[in-house]
Amino acid sequence: DAGVIQSPRHEVTEMGQEVTLRCKPISGHNSLFWYRQTMMRGLELLIYFNNNVPIDDSGMPEDRFSAKMPNASFSTLKIQPSEPRDSAVYFCASGPLAGDTQYFGPGTRLTVL
Amino acid sequence: KQEVTQIPAALSVPEGENLVLNCSFTDSAIYNLQWFRQDPGKGLTSLLLIQSSQREQTSGRLNASLDKSSGRSTLYIAASQPGDSATYLCAVLYNNNDMRFGAGTRLTVKP
Repeated sequence: DAGVIQSPRHEVTEMGQEVTLRCKPISGHNSLFWYRQTMMRGLELLIYFNNNVPIDDSGMPEDRFSAKMPNASFSTLKIQPSEPRDSAVYFCASGPLAGDTQYFGPGTRLTVL
Repeated sequence: KQEVTQIPAALSVPEGENLVLNCSFTDSAIYNLQWFRQDPGKGLTSLLLIQSSQREQTSGRLNASLDKSSGRSTLYIAASQPGDSATYLCAVLYNNNDMRFGAGTRLTVKP
């Protein structure tokens, strides 16, 4: 397996634009997680899915952020409208079950100007 | 408040030394604890996962312990190598499904 795949790897956009980050989890994994990492706040869990269903989105910063998982092999994290403070590295991770070892993707480095 | 703290923030040791990284957490109602490694510009790699009912886990030169009552975990690295240089993060999954990460310890192993 190629591991967790994220795209794009880098994204530079202007304030107010819509940003969509994509994730393909490891085949057979039932849980998927979205994280954000910044120097100031470290690594934060945004939302996680179990069997394609959002279980806990309490970490999503505000209504500008939304995440979907239409099927077991694909998830998106959307920011609309984007703001400079959203600049961070966004990681997707998957695991066999929610409490199991998580396997991280390489991340998407987002810069909002 | 469920906080995870890692000490020290940075550590530099000569090759071959044994070392200990520390992680502390404020709430003992944990489901499990994971130690991750992160290389610059990369994602996280899971090293060891300890369930709340376990006391320790070992993988090669790595040993992680868990003491729920005192809210502590340690990651022991034996015979350190330059390739061990990375940031090590501790992550606690609580019973309420909240997952919290420490800020990490940046380790440098000098040849």
